[in-house]
Amino acid sequence: QKEVEQDPGPLSVPEGAIVSLNCTYSNSAFQYFMWYRQYSRKGPELLMYTYSSGNKEDGRFTAQVDKSSKYISLFIRDSQPSDSATYLCAHPEGGNNRLAFGKGNQVVVIP
Amino acid sequence: AAGVIQSPRHLIKEKRETATLKCYPIPRHDTVYWYQQGPGQDPQFLISFYEKMQSDKGSIPDRFSAQQFSDYHSELNMSSLELGDSALYFCASSGGGGIEPLHFGNGTRLTVT
Repeated sequence: QKEVEQDPGPLSVPEGAIVSLNCTYSNSAFQYFMWYRQYSRKGPELLMYTYSSGNKEDGRFTAQVDKSSKYISLFIRDSQPSDSATYLCAHPEGGNNRLAFGKGNQVVVIP
Repeated sequence: AAGVIQSPRHLIKEKRETATLKCYPIPRHDTVYWYQQGPGQDPQFLISFYEKMQSDKGSIPDRFSAQQFSDYHSELNMSSLELGDSALYFCASSGGGGIEPLHFGNGTRLTVT
């Protein structure tokens, strides 16, 4: 079982809608979480980086960590067709900063 | 801003051949990581290097080896290639010590026929 679980189902939304993505994690000691965006045939691109609980906002993107329920979320407001990509949650594992990823959500924003 | 550079972008090899993938990290980043991503899969960690020494090892087959050079670039050497090795291979780099986000290159797509 992966330490970070992400329901890999695709998600289609109309342009302008709010996209909501979630991951759960198993180890309550986890402190750092990342969200990566990956376009087709490209490398993962760091989108958001959070530490501990609470919200972090960057433009149309908000990352949220709920340590009590071991839940991390990514919200995309006013979604655009250019947001169509796969979104991967990740956390560092071990003592050497390597990342473990969730399975990713493919998001399609329909114009 | 400079990013992680990988070469080649595409590589086609036959079974049992060897392949060498190259990675040039972001300037002043001292750690490189190699990941393998199969179709529809999340990236799987292979191996990492810090200051030219192997720092961590994941699910890297014994047929694969890697190293980091004095200029911090890294090479992943893959021998006795198998059909199942066909995948995207990503290199990432980080710097500054502690928990730092990884920055990924655009990968090498390896096809083994």
